[in-house]
Amino acid sequence: EVQLLESGGDFVQPGGSLRLSCAVSGFSFLSYAMSWVRQAPGKGLEWVSAISDSGAATRYADSVKGRFTISRDNSKNTLYLEMNSLRGEDTALYHCATTAVISTGMYYFHYWGQGTLVTVSS
Amino acid sequence: EIVLTQSPGTLSLSPGERATLSCRASQSVSSSYLAWYQHKPGQAPRLLMYGASSRATGTPDRFSGSGSGTDFTLTISRLEPEDFAVYYCQQYGTSPVTFGGGTKVEIK
Repeated sequence: EVQLLESGGDFVQPGGSLRLSCAVSGFSFLSYAMSWVRQAPGKGLEWVSAISDSGAATRYADSVKGRFTISRDNSKNTLYLEMNSLRGEDTALYHCATTAVISTGMYYFHYWGQGTLVTVSS
Repeated sequence: EIVLTQSPGTLSLSPGERATLSCRASQSVSSSYLAWYQHKPGQAPRLLMYGASSRATGTPDRFSGSGSGTDFTLTISRLEPEDFAVYYCQQYGTSPVTFGGGTKVEIK
């Protein structure tokens, strides 16, 4: 059974930092590109970042570029999202998802986790 | 970026009825690269359809997708109790990928 389990979400002040993790099982992690997708309260879904299967290529939404860093450890079957300079608008439920890559920047998402909540507020 | 508008916002139907969900794009979606997801509260979103009309693994055949260009439709032929959820469309033909705002299918 495919499982993706996010963790690391917390309450943090504006300007703060947080590191999210996504532990996966039930499939060959190193064979899949991965993404983070978030959902702000009462809003729709927003793609945040993607990383290739090897970790060599990464891509970010303009809203997080320069502040967030995606990475992966294929030996630990774990995906990460390092979040710095957090803002109120980053408040959201963050999902990790396996990613089908059509071309650069063109993805859809096979399997998702339930998400971890990040709240940015003073 | 491509803006996706889903309608209606909420669909109130009874089990056994047919549901028709619309997703309209602000510009043409390349190669019908459109996906649909189902999301229930407290659960992980689930991929239902991709390529506008291809069912993902495990998607029941009561779900069908159609459309091209700027207008896409997800149809649920006969609603089962487990189908009441929020449905999102997503285009992946143009970077950045974008999602619609969702249609909630609720029990009437």
